[in-house]
Amino acid sequence: GAGVSQSPRYKVAKRGQDVALRCDPISGHVSLFWYQQALGQGPEFLTYFQNEAQLDKSGLPSDRFFAERPEGSVSTLKIQRTQQEDSAVYLCASSSGRGQPQHFGDGTRLSIL
Amino acid sequence: QQQVKQSPQSLIVQKGGIPIINCAYENTAFDYFPWYQQFPGKGPALLIAIRPDVSEKKEGRFTISFNKSAKQFSLHIMDSQPGDSATYFCAASGVPQGGSEKLVFGKGTKLTVNP
Repeated sequence: GAGVSQSPRYKVAKRGQDVALRCDPISGHVSLFWYQQALGQGPEFLTYFQNEAQLDKSGLPSDRFFAERPEGSVSTLKIQRTQQEDSAVYLCASSSGRGQPQHFGDGTRLSIL
Repeated sequence: QQQVKQSPQSLIVQKGGIPIINCAYENTAFDYFPWYQQFPGKGPALLIAIRPDVSEKKEGRFTISFNKSAKQFSLHIMDSQPGDSATYFCAASGVPQGGSEKLVFGKGTKLTVNP
């Protein structure tokens, strides 16, 4: 596609529910990143994939957060047993490889009630 | 520990002015310094980026100045326009052995350009 596509754009869930956020990277991009952006803050790194391999998950805040990219293209970020502090914009970025710029999608705004 | 410190938090200039946004970093392993522009409801869009082997880079009305010894870099916007009103983020990345090219972002500067 022309850019990084994320869905849904908005998600409202009740505390304790599980949610799944989808990212379609730019076609052919091998590197995929997830970031979390709290209101009024800069994005913070969550996890990184190179093709289907999750090489860095040091930013995942708890074991309730899980990400996968099984075929090296589309990625899903899953949050189990959501808490109010999970409310944020979740951004996905992709790049064509090491040393190349990261291009961001418009994010999914998650609100936990 | 905040690895990239950005200032000011907000900035108001008149059309045609030259806003300057500053960032400082701590990690000497960083070797890539991009600036992103973000409009409300949109994702960050890459504006311009620099590596430490040069001290300045220009792309259109945007210029990055880089001071490796001081571990500081800044964004200058020449002939600013109301359409430049947005939040600007500096970022940095480096690749420690076995690590990823994750970006570390500053907290952002909200720029307002008045007509």
